[in-house]
Amino acid sequence: QQQVKQSPQSLIVQKGGISIINCAYENTAFDYFPWYQQFPGKGPALLIAIRPDVSEKKEGRFTISFNKSAKQFSLHIMDSQPGDSATYFCAAASSGGYQKVTFGTGTKLQVIP
Amino acid sequence: ETGVTQSPTHLIKTRGQQVTLRCSSQSGHNTVSWYQQALGQGPQFIFQYYREEENGRGNFPPRFSGLQFPNYSSELNVNALELDDSALYLCASSLTRTGAVEAFFGQGTRLTVV
Repeated sequence: QQQVKQSPQSLIVQKGGISIINCAYENTAFDYFPWYQQFPGKGPALLIAIRPDVSEKKEGRFTISFNKSAKQFSLHIMDSQPGDSATYFCAAASSGGYQKVTFGTGTKLQVIP
Repeated sequence: ETGVTQSPTHLIKTRGQQVTLRCSSQSGHNTVSWYQQALGQGPQFIFQYYREEENGRGNFPPRFSGLQFPNYSSELNVNALELDDSALYLCASSLTRTGAVEAFFGQGTRLTVV
């Protein structure tokens, strides 16, 4: 059962363009929504994260938009650069006795010069 | 680079064998989470260890087991290996058991089962 659905699977964007990756979740118990960046041969690294009481969060060129009623969230990468070429994972976390992170399937982004 | 190191980086095992993967956590972190990442997929949560106890578990069979040591390093053991166990195994250490989102990941161990 895929609890976090991510699209597209792959994305090619020109340098300077906007990269947009979308995710949807089902479990309303999720209370934290991070995005991770993974380069080949490396583990994922936290990029940016948002709580459901906020509709948007921006850090530099990276923005998360969050729609609680639709149970959807997205990552926008402004002014995309070749160095942004990586695989991006959305995720959702639920808290309780411990925090469990559920990942999406990933989007491979290629930024071409 | 994170302070989380995993060993070995690559491993080839035969179906039915047993394997032990190791993870050295970031200094000051008392929680380690293990993930399985199949090719082209996102990481899937296996389990979490907090202060030497299993603190939570994903949808993995009992042949996946772990340990956490007093220095908070950790091991993942897989018995009776199956071909589908071929994947990248990631460990992630965090300051607390409720801070898994901010965890630091290691580079992973690539396990191939033949």
